[in-house]
Amino acid sequence: SQKIEQNSEALNIQEGKTATLTCNYTNYSPAYLQWYRQDPGRGPVFLLLIRENEKEKRKERLKVTFDTTLKQSLFHITASQPADSATYLCALAPPGGGGNKLTFGTGTQLKVEL
Amino acid sequence: GAVVSQHPSWVICKSGTSVKIECRSLDFQATTMFWYRQFPKQSLMLMATSNEGSKATYEQGVEKDKFLINHASLTLSTLTVTSAHPEDSSFYICSARETGTSNQPQHFGDGTRLSIL
Repeated sequence: SQKIEQNSEALNIQEGKTATLTCNYTNYSPAYLQWYRQDPGRGPVFLLLIRENEKEKRKERLKVTFDTTLKQSLFHITASQPADSATYLCALAPPGGGGNKLTFGTGTQLKVEL
Repeated sequence: GAVVSQHPSWVICKSGTSVKIECRSLDFQATTMFWYRQFPKQSLMLMATSNEGSKATYEQGVEKDKFLINHASLTLSTLTVTSAHPEDSSFYICSARETGTSNQPQHFGDGTRLSIL
């Protein structure tokens, strides 16, 4: 089965800096990888999806990279703001999409300080 | 945007009670919905895949007789935790995929906090 590793410790950064979160996986290369934001007591909110044949995706201040050789995805938030503070989850779909059965990482908690 | 509504958001009940959680897609049809469970500081664990008009597919280790899933329409799936016990206390989250959009993001509800006394 797929194993996903995200930074287990909270990431604290200063407002305005770029936050970089890591998602490493073992076993098979996923058909696609997604990043979600989760606030305490709430469900995940979709942010970005990157497919296995894509290396980079951007959306406003967000950027995701996908390196299938390293089996790693990096998630960047530029010009970070206190409102970006949340837990960020990466999720992988198996080859062929697997009917959208996602495997989630444990998430990394980001704290953006003034 | 696609909205998934989950109800109730919070339940406290006595051990032995059965609890029903509803998951509705408000502005789209969802042939497939997913039920997850999340313990504190842990990742979302997929419990089952709910398919409209057919039996749910359960993940390994999830008791289908304890977690009853019904997906009777294209906008509603329900999860019933039967004879709940304290170890069933958790955060239950559903998600839905719009019909005809395979390999696209899932839309999540805001979860149900279940506490069994």
